[in-house]
Amino acid sequence: DQQVKQNSPSLSVQEGRISILNCDYTNSMFDYFLWYKKYPAEGPTFLISISSIKDKNEDGRFTVFLNKSAKHLSLHIVPSQPGDSAVYFCAASGWSGNQFYFGTGTSLTVIP
Amino acid sequence: DSGVTQTPKHLITATGQRVTLRCSPRSGDLSVYWYQQSLDQGLQFLIHYYNGEERAKGNILERFSAQQFPDLHSELNLSSLELGDSALYFCASSRGALAGANVLTFGAGSRLTVL
Repeated sequence: DQQVKQNSPSLSVQEGRISILNCDYTNSMFDYFLWYKKYPAEGPTFLISISSIKDKNEDGRFTVFLNKSAKHLSLHIVPSQPGDSAVYFCAASGWSGNQFYFGTGTSLTVIP
Repeated sequence: DSGVTQTPKHLITATGQRVTLRCSPRSGDLSVYWYQQSLDQGLQFLIHYYNGEERAKGNILERFSAQQFPDLHSELNLSSLELGDSALYFCASSRGALAGANVLTFGAGSRLTVL
């Protein structure tokens, strides 16, 4: 039972444009969300998080938006750079939870 | 270097064998999580330990077991290996026991190939 879904396996974007990666979840108890980035042969690295008390969190070129009623979050990267090419995972948990549920990832390619 | 150390990086073994994967968490982190990533799959949660105690168990097979030692390092034991156990196994650590406001820091993973 996949509680966190990333329905787009891949995405290609031109350098300098916006990249939008989407994530849906099914469990209404989730109230803490994270995005991770993964390069080949490396472990995932933390990018940005958001709790359900907010609907937006920004960190430099990265912004995460949360729509609780739609159980949907998205990661915006502006402007996209070739070095952003990686697999992006979203993850979710209850604030008092003991595990994080991950999506299947979206492979982003930023074309120079 | 994330501060989370996993060994070995690569492991090739035969069906029916047993292997042990080791993880040293980042300094100061008390929680260790194990995840499995099979080909084209997401990160499947296996198990979570906090300060030596099991906190949550995911879809971990009975052939798999884990523990966290007093020095906080953790080991994942995989036995009676099958071809389908071939995967990347990631360890991640965090400060607290609960998910909220914590961030998982991942190791580079152990790639297991079962022939």
